[in-house]
Amino acid sequence: GDSVTQMEGPVTLSEEAFLTINCTYTATGYPSLFWYVQYPGEGLQLLLKATKADDKGSNKGFEATYRKETTSFHLEKGSVQVSDSAVYFCALPISGGYNKLIFGAGTRLAVHP
Amino acid sequence: EAGVTQFPSHSVIEKGQTVTLRCDPISGHDNLYWYRRVMGKEIKFLLHFVKESKQDESGMPNNRFLAERTGGTYSTLKVQPAELEDSGVYFCASSQYAGPTEAFFGQGTRLTVV
Repeated sequence: GDSVTQMEGPVTLSEEAFLTINCTYTATGYPSLFWYVQYPGEGLQLLLKATKADDKGSNKGFEATYRKETTSFHLEKGSVQVSDSAVYFCALPISGGYNKLIFGAGTRLAVHP
Repeated sequence: EAGVTQFPSHSVIEKGQTVTLRCDPISGHDNLYWYRRVMGKEIKFLLHFVKESKQDESGMPNNRFLAERTGGTYSTLKVQPAELEDSGVYFCASSQYAGPTEAFFGQGTRLTVV
């Protein structure tokens, strides 16, 4: 069945460091792929998405490229800030059911000054 | 515009008790979803309402969980009786259309069963 695997956290970085959070998936066909973020005390927010192979989603300095050959959608940011501290979730819609999302386990990012 | 609101933000109950979680979706959103994250693991789908009807409840873990959406506005999720393994964060989301990218999530209710 469909699944999403994320790198385990927590990830601890200093401000201005480079960030990569790995995400790989198993799915039927070529679904859209998403990154959600949960800041402390807030709900889940859609951070970025990609709808087809080789698409690059981007938002707030974060980027992720849909790689069908490696079934990956790794999240990257060139220079993190303290305000990026949050939990990040990779997700995709369940095959045949656009109303349901499968999420990864989440990766907690802590950025220190 | 108000976002998705969930009540309470945190609930601590004893095993065997009943708890009711509430979700107020964004006004005008016909689609309402419940998800939960247990033990810091994956966020898992529970069910989906379209207006007051249950479109998909395939993720509901067992019959101790009952979700309602009377009148197609707010929704409640009742756990009765609660068990230790029900502890986790319960998220609600709403969307105007049925696609997941249109869904807006609430801040979640953290349920702790002791």
